[in-house]
Amino acid sequence: EDQVTQSPEALRLQEGESSSLNCSYTVSGLRGLFWYRQDPGKGPEFLFTLYSAGEEKEKERLKATLTKKESFLHITAPKPEDSATYLCAVQGPAGGTSYGKLTFGQGTILTVHP
Amino acid sequence: SQTIHQWPATLVQPVGSPLSLECTVEGTSNPNLYWYRQAAGRGLQLLFYSVGIGQISSEVPQNLSASRPQDRQFILSSKKLLLSDSGFYLCAWSVIAGGAQYFGPGTRLLVL
Repeated sequence: EDQVTQSPEALRLQEGESSSLNCSYTVSGLRGLFWYRQDPGKGPEFLFTLYSAGEEKEKERLKATLTKKESFLHITAPKPEDSATYLCAVQGPAGGTSYGKLTFGQGTILTVHP
Repeated sequence: SQTIHQWPATLVQPVGSPLSLECTVEGTSNPNLYWYRQAAGRGLQLLFYSVGIGQISSEVPQNLSASRPQDRQFILSSKKLLLSDSGFYLCAWSVIAGGAQYFGPGTRLLVL
């Protein structure tokens, strides 16, 4: 069974204080790893897809990286508007009766103080 | 561009009452559709997915059911709500079975 563990559960940063969020996973053949941002009371917003170890994606102050066992979401010089819950999900191989199910972690709640 | 709608945004229902939540997608054809539930402070739990009209697969046996009467419409239903059905219900779509899923704004359900 696919599993995703995110750490820390919560992270408080000062504005401009860079840090990283971790997503550890086990999956029988990774098809893709996904990062989402979720604001309170809203649906998750898609950020990145990573497909293979060594791949990196960037968007504004966020950079996602991937190894064979984990992914990191690096936040450089965060601003208060970066405060949100960040979710990681993995997708195993499609084929047969599989449809490419996403397995989500519990998320990291990021708070950035001005 | 593609958009996904869910309604209602919030719903308060008594125990034992029926439920119908609707999700529609615009700007794409033959999407894969998904229903998730998110309990407070927890991750997303996949409830149902559909790869086409009338094709529904259930991930977790429970008090809920889903239907897909049209290509871009997905409905979540219950005949009798339980207290444990309270939560945040999210609909999502994807182009193919693989790839990113895109979520709607969600419906907050409170069963009293």
